[in-house]
Amino acid sequence: GDSVTQMEGPVTLSEEAFLTINCTYTATGYPSLFWYVQYPGEGLQLLLKATKADDKGSNKGFEATYRKETTSFHLEKGSVQVSDSAVYFCALQSSYKLIFGSGTRLLVRP
Amino acid sequence: EAQVTQNPRYLITVTGKKLTVTCSQNMNHEYMSWYRQDPGLGLRQIYYSMNVEVTDKGDVPEGYKVSRKEKRNFPLILESPSPNQTSLYFCASSFSVLDSNQPQHFGDGTRLSIL
Repeated sequence: GDSVTQMEGPVTLSEEAFLTINCTYTATGYPSLFWYVQYPGEGLQLLLKATKADDKGSNKGFEATYRKETTSFHLEKGSVQVSDSAVYFCALQSSYKLIFGSGTRLLVRP
Repeated sequence: EAQVTQNPRYLITVTGKKLTVTCSQNMNHEYMSWYRQDPGLGLRQIYYSMNVEVTDKGDVPEGYKVSRKEKRNFPLILESPSPNQTSLYFCASSFSVLDSNQPQHFGDGTRLSIL
């Protein structure tokens, strides 16, 4: 069945460092791909999405490109801030649900 | 304000004592869904509903029930809770789960502890 694999966390970075969180997927066809962010004590918020191959989703300085050749959707940000500390989930659309990766906790230190 | 509201936010209870977690959305969404979040497993779907009176099982439905009598409400019922249902639960809704341009909105979560 469809699945999503994310890099294990936590990821600890200093402010202004470059961020990459790896995400790969297994799916039939070309599903829509998403990154969600979960701040402490809150629900998930959609960060960005891509609906077809080679699409680049972007929001709040974060970017991810839908790569069908490598079945990947890695999340990147050029300069992280303390306020980016959260748990990030990669997900794909599969029939009537989202399939999520296990989540990657990001901690940004001042 | 558009939102998905879950209650309670936190609950500690005992094995076998029936409980209900409520979920309500004010966006007139047709699709609603319940997920549970467990460490190392991400979120897994429990049940979903495409519209009023239409519900179906997700990936981990055992031990749960749902109902959709009104469009705005989608309660999750644990008839006889057990410790393996200790988890963080999220309700989600959207206009259409099959349209990627219609994002899913999530509630703030309900943390259940079953002793």
